[in-house]
Amino acid sequence: IAGITQAPTSQILAAGRRMTLRCTQDMRHNAMYWYRQDLGLGLRLIHYSNTAGTTGKGEVPDGYSVSRANTDDFPLTLASAVPSQTSVYFCASRGTVNSPLHFGNGTRLTVT
Amino acid sequence: AQKITQTQPGMFVQEKEAVTLDCTYDTSDPSYGLFWYKQPSSGEMIFLIYQGSYDQQNATEGRYSLNFQKARKSANLVISASQLGDSAMYFCAMREMGGQFYFGTGTSLTVIP
Repeated sequence: IAGITQAPTSQILAAGRRMTLRCTQDMRHNAMYWYRQDLGLGLRLIHYSNTAGTTGKGEVPDGYSVSRANTDDFPLTLASAVPSQTSVYFCASRGTVNSPLHFGNGTRLTVT
Repeated sequence: AQKITQTQPGMFVQEKEAVTLDCTYDTSDPSYGLFWYKQPSSGEMIFLIYQGSYDQQNATEGRYSLNFQKARKSANLVISASQLGDSAMYFCAMREMGGQFYFGTGTSLTVIP
């Protein structure tokens, strides 16, 4: 089934640890996105990539990094996790310019 | 400044009635897209409707319509004949020319039997 796969589904992480959230899509979409969702704050854009080899900063990029080595994969890395990064993280992709975003099922991350 | 503003944290509507969820946006791009998503309690994001900035007519998809007022920079979602299954969070979103896709803080809709 075509779509976006995020891993892990959930994770508890000690503060200061490094963590990579994985995101893979099989729809050959050019654009990919990472969001965090927090109660009352909606979805906030962390980083995005319009095409393989390019990335851009979103609204809340500090403490996060991304790479886009190929079309299918868009991992999000927390170099040194802090409790304020406790959130639900969604990966999304988009095909054409006017297409809606397709979302993964999310990763629930708790930083203790 | 907020790119997307949703001023209604929570809304209630009687079953079978219509409800309007407000959304205003802020962009200087000449071309942009506006989207509405539904997020039920199960957590998945469901695309509902799309409006392009150059579209002359308001978008409609079944019971969903988008009331697009470009001069006011508003893109309100109208749900007609509300059903119990419409109870969910609703997010307004905007895609800018650079590819960024921004979301609002959402409106929690509760449909009352």
